[in-house]
Amino acid sequence: DSGVTQTPKHLITATGQRVTLRCSPRSGDLSVYWYQQSLDQGLQFLIQYYNGEERAKGNILERFSAQQFPDLHSELNLSSLELGDSALYFCASSVLSMGSGNTIYFGEGSWLTVV
Amino acid sequence: QKEVEQDPGPLSVPEGAIVSLNCTYSNSAFQYFMWYRQYSRKGPELLMYTYSSGNKEDGRFTAQVDKSSKYISLFIRDSQPSDSATYLCAMSANAGGTSYGKLTFGQGTILTVHP
Repeated sequence: DSGVTQTPKHLITATGQRVTLRCSPRSGDLSVYWYQQSLDQGLQFLIQYYNGEERAKGNILERFSAQQFPDLHSELNLSSLELGDSALYFCASSVLSMGSGNTIYFGEGSWLTVV
Repeated sequence: QKEVEQDPGPLSVPEGAIVSLNCTYSNSAFQYFMWYRQYSRKGPELLMYTYSSGNKEDGRFTAQVDKSSKYISLFIRDSQPSDSATYLCAMSANAGGTSYGKLTFGQGTILTVHP
């Protein structure tokens, strides 16, 4: 158990709908990352937040948005869903201090199926 | 061309064999190199982390980085059936800055160790 909690574990939704994925980072971790894993694209970085502020952005679609709240949990919002959005969405967290090394802990993922 | 190339396999070996997993990359800015292990439908788990070129050993696992050739390897000695998983290489270009969580992953190699 990495200590990163993601909900829901599985969800099925229809095209055009909107869903919200939730992540609680490890205790003490200030940084949260979202990744998407699909069969054809592999594991792709979407976005990173540090202590409530966006710090890095990857190949995140405009239909997707995220935020990190004052209690450090994060949500990834996916809207106008398309079949191609079906994937495993991972949240990860890290302490993000200069001397702590590059250890990023992944949650178990949220499996999204768009039908 | 992808920034990180990894042979997806699958790779099947007998128990006790030495396993060699490799990745090549094109971005010379990558400085941090990691290997993750992912069991089916689980979150990636960090196995090894290396900064710049060199070797690092941890139990049955050895990670090697050759920046001049843009080539990294993971060796697993005395492989066990419990090592059966997907192995992902990952890299980061940031030198401990606030966005070092932006990892670029290889496609993953599926490894099966049979008794």
